[in-house]
Amino acid sequence: NAGVTQTPKFRILKIGQSMTLQCTQDMNHNYMYWYRQDPGMGLKLIYYSVGAGITDKGEVPNGYNVSRSTTEDFPLRLELAAPSQTSVYFCASSYSREAGEQFFGPGTRLTVL
Amino acid sequence: AQSVTQPDIHITVSEGASLELRCNYSYGATPYLFWYVQSPGQGLQLLLKYFSGDTLVQGIKGFEAEFKRSQSSFNLRKPSVHWSDAAEYFCAVMLGGGADGLTFGKGTHLIIQP
Repeated sequence: NAGVTQTPKFRILKIGQSMTLQCTQDMNHNYMYWYRQDPGMGLKLIYYSVGAGITDKGEVPNGYNVSRSTTEDFPLRLELAAPSQTSVYFCASSYSREAGEQFFGPGTRLTVL
Repeated sequence: AQSVTQPDIHITVSEGASLELRCNYSYGATPYLFWYVQSPGQGLQLLLKYFSGDTLVQGIKGFEAEFKRSQSSFNLRKPSVHWSDAAEYFCAVMLGGGADGLTFGKGTHLIIQP
C-alpha cells in the first residue's frame, strides 16, 4: 500500500505559467482534499471531493481548479501562477467523514518566481 | 467561523521532561478534534482524535490529550519526551457531519534540549 502519493516533490514556476499537481491514493477512499501550508501557518483547505465527479471549494480556492474523474485521483490545477501561490501543497484522503482521520501525502513544494 | 488557536509558536523542553501543548477552539458545538505531527519535510501523521465519550484519549508514540468542554480546549500531553519528538504539532477540528475538511491551528514547533 503506497497510501497517498503526490508528484512532483518540487517545482519552480514562472509567473503566468500553469501546472497540475498530481495526487493518487490506493486506499479506495471516497473523500479527498487539497491543502496549502504557508510558513508559520497551519494548513488551509483549497478544495475537497466526496467522491468521483463531486468537488467543492474550501477556504482558499481562488486561482485553483480540481477535477475528480476517478476515486483514486484528485489533481489540482494552477492556472496563471502567481507568487502568492508559493507554498507547500498537501493532498489528503479519508474513508468517510465519520472516520475522521485524514491520510496525508508527502507534499509538493512549489515556488513561483 | 470555527477557529483553532495554538497559543505557543515554539516550545523548548528538555529530554525526559513532561510536555503539554495547548489548543483552544472556537465553535458553538463540539467538533471532532485531532492532533497531527509533522516531521521536517514530511506530511502529517495523526497522533490521536476525539469524537465523543471518554474525554482523555490515548494516541500513538505515548501521547494523550484531554478534552475540556468548559474550556473549549484539547491539550496534548506526554509524560516524558524523547529527542525524536522534535517536530511541528498541529491541532485541528472538523465539524461533525461536515465534509469540508479540517481547520488547523498555526502549529507549535517543539524543540528538545539534550
